[in-house]
Amino acid sequence: AQKVTQAQTEISVVEKEDVTLDCVYETRDTTYYLFWYKQPPSGELVFLIRRNSFDEQNEISGRYSWNFQKSTSSFNFTITASQVVDSAVYFCALSGALYNFNKFYFGSGTKLNVKP
Amino acid sequence: DVKVTQSSRYLVKRTGEKVFLECVQDMDHENMFWYRQDPGLGLRLIYFSYDVKMKEKGDIPEGYSVSREKKERFSLILESASTNQTSMYLCASSLRGDYNHEKLFFGSGTQLSVL
Repeated sequence: AQKVTQAQTEISVVEKEDVTLDCVYETRDTTYYLFWYKQPPSGELVFLIRRNSFDEQNEISGRYSWNFQKSTSSFNFTITASQVVDSAVYFCALSGALYNFNKFYFGSGTKLNVKP
Repeated sequence: DVKVTQSSRYLVKRTGEKVFLECVQDMDHENMFWYRQDPGLGLRLIYFSYDVKMKEKGDIPEGYSVSREKKERFSLILESASTNQTSMYLCASSLRGDYNHEKLFFGSGTQLSVL
C-alpha cells in the first residue's frame, strides 16, 4: 500500500525561527519519487522539490532544505529563518509507477503559520 | 511558464444540479488530473487522463465523470450534485515524461458549495 503521513496538522512559529515539517511514507515500490508542494492562500499548489528513491543526498535551496532517509521512510522539509511569506499549507507526495502512469499519493498537509 | 486555468474560483450550486468544472492547460501536457481537497484528507484523485478521449478512474470516482475532447481541456462533471461534493477541486497537468514521475502543475482551484 502507498501512503503518506504528515502528522503535523498545523504549526505556528515566529518569524526567523527554523521549522521542520515531517513526512513519512509507505511504499512497496523499489523505485519511487517524493515531492513537496506549497499551497499559499491563493490556492495553487506550487512544486518545491522532487527526489527519487536512489538519491539520498540532502538538498538545500536557499532557506529550504530536505532530509531524505530511506531507513526511516522519511522526507522532512526544513525552513531556516522563516518568513511571513512562508505561511502556507505544505504537502508531501509520493509517486509510484503504475503501468505508464505516475499516480501521486498526497499527505493531508501541514499548515504553517509564520507570525511577524 | 505552464498555466493551468480553472474556469471558476467559487461556485455555488443546488442539490441535483448538473455541474461542469472546466480546466485548460497551455503547455501541451499529455496528462491531466482532477483532485478534490478536503481538510484533513489532503488531495484525492478523482479521475485522470493520459491522452485525448482517454480517462481512468482515480480513488474516488463515484458521482463524477470526465471529458477530454481536446488535449488542452479536461472537464469534470457532477451529474447530480450532492452536498457531500462540497469541496475544493484542483486540476493539474503534467508531461508524460520518460520515467513517468513528472511534477504536477496545478490550477488555483474551484471551491464548490452544493446547497
